[in-house]
Amino acid sequence: QPVLTQPTSLSASPGASARFTCTLRSGINVGTYRIYWYQQKPGSLPRYLLRYKSDSDKQQGSGVPSRFSGSKDASTNAGLLLISGLQSEDEADYYCAIWYSSTWVFGGGTKLTVL
Amino acid sequence: EVQLVESGGGLVQPGRSLRLSCAASGFTFDDYAMHWVRQAPGKGLEWVSGISWNSGSIGYADSVKGRFTISRDNAKNSLYLQMNSLRAEDTALYYCAKALDYGDHPFDYWGQGTLVTVSS
Repeated sequence: QPVLTQPTSLSASPGASARFTCTLRSGINVGTYRIYWYQQKPGSLPRYLLRYKSDSDKQQGSGVPSRFSGSKDASTNAGLLLISGLQSEDEADYYCAIWYSSTWVFGGGTKLTVL
Repeated sequence: EVQLVESGGGLVQPGRSLRLSCAASGFTFDDYAMHWVRQAPGKGLEWVSGISWNSGSIGYADSVKGRFTISRDNAKNSLYLQMNSLRAEDTALYYCAKALDYGDHPFDYWGQGTLVTVSS
């Protein structure tokens, strides 16, 4: 079982909200980790969006709008990325990552379609 | 303006070696950790290796450990990745990325990448 699991795809309408999940493998407690989120638009470089561990330990990437936010769901052992007020330009792949056992681990990514 | 420019990619046969370089500018190179992250065609991101500002901390993904070696030359503002015993599964776009510090810190700038194709 992978360390981080993300749904392959997600669809949402313009103006709506999108909720991305990044589920940590059983035995790896989401409360312990900072969850990082990256956005990669087609043909572009990955871009750092934000980090979330708790409300007192979070960071927004440089220039990232406040409609991108992070959270956690302890009940499902998942990190969450929330995008409100979806725009067509948000269509991209979204990756979560954690610093785990002295290595970086990425999730497989979720492709967001805005339609 | 931060710039990271990778080079050294190309077509190489399985089992051969290749050395990637990343030239950094626009920031104080020896203040930051650096990493290599790769992306196979049509696939997701995979961290390959990282190195602290003074080379005191170095790490590798299990998939490359023992075959790849990361290094840096702070006098030349350059990062390197020596890749030996290359395999078909190493085929990917290799990005260099900077981070505030080694460890639990994000990759805040990425280069454009250099493509490595391992094929006979």
